[in-house]
Amino acid sequence: GEDVEQSLFLSVREGDSSVINCTYTDSSSTYLYWYKQEPGAGLQLLTYIFSNMDMKQDQRLTVLLNKKDKHLSLRIADTQTGDSAIYFCAEKKGTGTASKLTFGTGTRLQVTL
Amino acid sequence: GAGVSQSPSNKVTEKGKDVELRCDPISGHTALYWYRQSLGQGLEFLIYFQGNSAPDKSGLPSDRFSAERTGGSVSTLTIQRTQQEDSAVYLCASSSTTATYGYTFGSGTRLTVV
Repeated sequence: GEDVEQSLFLSVREGDSSVINCTYTDSSSTYLYWYKQEPGAGLQLLTYIFSNMDMKQDQRLTVLLNKKDKHLSLRIADTQTGDSAIYFCAEKKGTGTASKLTFGTGTRLQVTL
Repeated sequence: GAGVSQSPSNKVTEKGKDVELRCDPISGHTALYWYRQSLGQGLEFLIYFQGNSAPDKSGLPSDRFSAERTGGSVSTLTIQRTQQEDSAVYLCASSSTTATYGYTFGSGTRLTVV
């Protein structure tokens, strides 16, 4: 497909793990990113993964990359109320001055008590 | 500067008026991007500047929208004859030439057309 796809909404209980999924478009994309957007704010880069990696872990965040299926996921362990936000995945296409990110539609994560 | 700065943070304007939104990117970033985000929606690409190259204007929704980037730094997005459907948050981002470490976003300008 031409669009980077994400499910629109995910609800989890505080303390549980959250898994946000993303299907990207270009198997030659070199970098994949996860951004977080809190209400009334811009997008904040959470983490990124190079395409030759399968997994990257950073504290409570784990990124998994399946290049064959063009599937990217973000797992948040021990989800907290402060994790409530919209999460965007993005892929980097092109090289040099033609580099550009394409963003997914965003997944709204709601954390309940 | 330390981050991407956008001004104003909020703007309320009357239908039919022109507005200018400003973006001050991170010093040294050659690339600058404008996006629009309507309430609860994803990001809509508007325009992209890369160094001294001609900008990629493919996302501008109509000829009422224009943008310029002076001296390879500050950018201004201008909307002429604003309409109610222009109400949205306008986000600016900047990056290095190759965007290896992604984009850095500003906090956005919330535009309300009444």
